[in-house]
Amino acid sequence: AQSVTQPDIHITVSEGASLELRCNYSYGATPYLFWYVQSPGQGLQLLLKYFSGDTLVQGIKGFEAEFKRSQSSFNLRKPSVHWSDAAEYFCAVGVMTGNQFYFGTGTSLTVIP
Amino acid sequence: EPEVTQTPSHQVTQMGQEVILRCVPISNHLYFYWYRQILGQKVEFLVSFYNNEISEKSEIFDDQFSVERPDGSNFTLKIRSTKLEDSAMYFCASKREGAEQYFGPGTRLTVT
Repeated sequence: AQSVTQPDIHITVSEGASLELRCNYSYGATPYLFWYVQSPGQGLQLLLKYFSGDTLVQGIKGFEAEFKRSQSSFNLRKPSVHWSDAAEYFCAVGVMTGNQFYFGTGTSLTVIP
Repeated sequence: EPEVTQTPSHQVTQMGQEVILRCVPISNHLYFYWYRQILGQKVEFLVSFYNNEISEKSEIFDDQFSVERPDGSNFTLKIRSTKLEDSAMYFCASKREGAEQYFGPGTRLTVT
């Protein structure tokens, strides 16, 4: 069965520091991979997606993610975090033939001055 | 840029009452979804809808839930008799064939 694991429930980083949020998935074939961000009380905003091709994908707000098939991972990175990046981040997997998305449990990011 | 919209943004209801959550998907999209997120938990799939019928549903989507596309634009989720544990954020999403899902801003349902 498909599943998504985000091992870090909560991460705290200093403003200006680099960030990496981990995501591992379980699926038998190449999935669609997504990162969404959710600010408090808000909906889900798509940061970036991977369907095929270049395994390093660029997204909005300076985020990038790298698909590593050998590790079944799709980690999200940002070289320099801004205070406005504080939010909940969700990794999601969409399968080729199915419909639904499978979400991870999310990683809450706190940014300290 | 086209967006998925949802109304209301916040719904408060008493236990046992029926609620209808409304969504307007992006106009040329063909697949429609409902997800829910209980406070502090992950987003969970409820149901998908295509060609005027349910194509997939989760075990959460029991007989208390139903979906409908009453006209060419709206997509609704009805909960017949709400329970306290139905309190959650409900997200609607839509997509074209093979593309990613676009999520609405959500409706926060509070059951008292």
